[in-house]
Amino acid sequence: ETGVTQTPRHLVMGMTNKKSLKCEQHLGHNAMYWYKQSAKKPLELMFVYNFKEQTENNSVPSRFSPECPNSSHLFLHLHTLQPEDSALYLCASSFEGDRQFFGPGTRLTVL
Amino acid sequence: EDQVTQSPEALRLQEGESSSLNCSYTVSGLRGLFWYRQDPGKGPEFLFTLYSAGEEKEKERLKATLTKKESFLHITAPKPEDSATYLCAVTGTASKLTFGTGTRLQVTL
Repeated sequence: ETGVTQTPRHLVMGMTNKKSLKCEQHLGHNAMYWYKQSAKKPLELMFVYNFKEQTENNSVPSRFSPECPNSSHLFLHLHTLQPEDSALYLCASSFEGDRQFFGPGTRLTVL
Repeated sequence: EDQVTQSPEALRLQEGESSSLNCSYTVSGLRGLFWYRQDPGKGPEFLFTLYSAGEEKEKERLKATLTKKESFLHITAPKPEDSATYLCAVTGTASKLTFGTGTRLQVTL
């Protein structure tokens, strides 16, 4: 498989659930990103990892917890989310800050 | 703070009717301006990177240009398959990608 993959593609969860989003890149990149995309809003950068080290946390609430075990895998752990967290969550990767390649996204609905 | 404004918000064209999308930006130390295409329910797909004023890039019916304040994405003789949301983004000295809200393009027969 090539490019950036994300699982699951769709997720429905209650406010008390705990779930995780997974991202994998097969491009040999050294940086990975989580973005949130809501209707009528620009993509919002959430977290950045360079060589597995978190280099940016864009004032994201603690109910979102990222994990980057290696340069190919990125997780976003979710717990006690709110309905306003419903959105498309996109993962991206790049090589040394160059153009970013995006995965297909996870459509999250919080009930 | 870096900012990107795209216009129009939505554009409806007939097949073959050429037009341009605008991306105005303010950024501290431009390192790159990016155009992406996004289809419904999918992630953004990379189209072009422009690095300096005067630069132009072309791909099929699309041509991107850059000045010191804005970029244009020109669409020549569009086809229905060009229908998508087109996103513009910039990165500056902060090395962070800042996106606009996009232009939703619909091309009809």
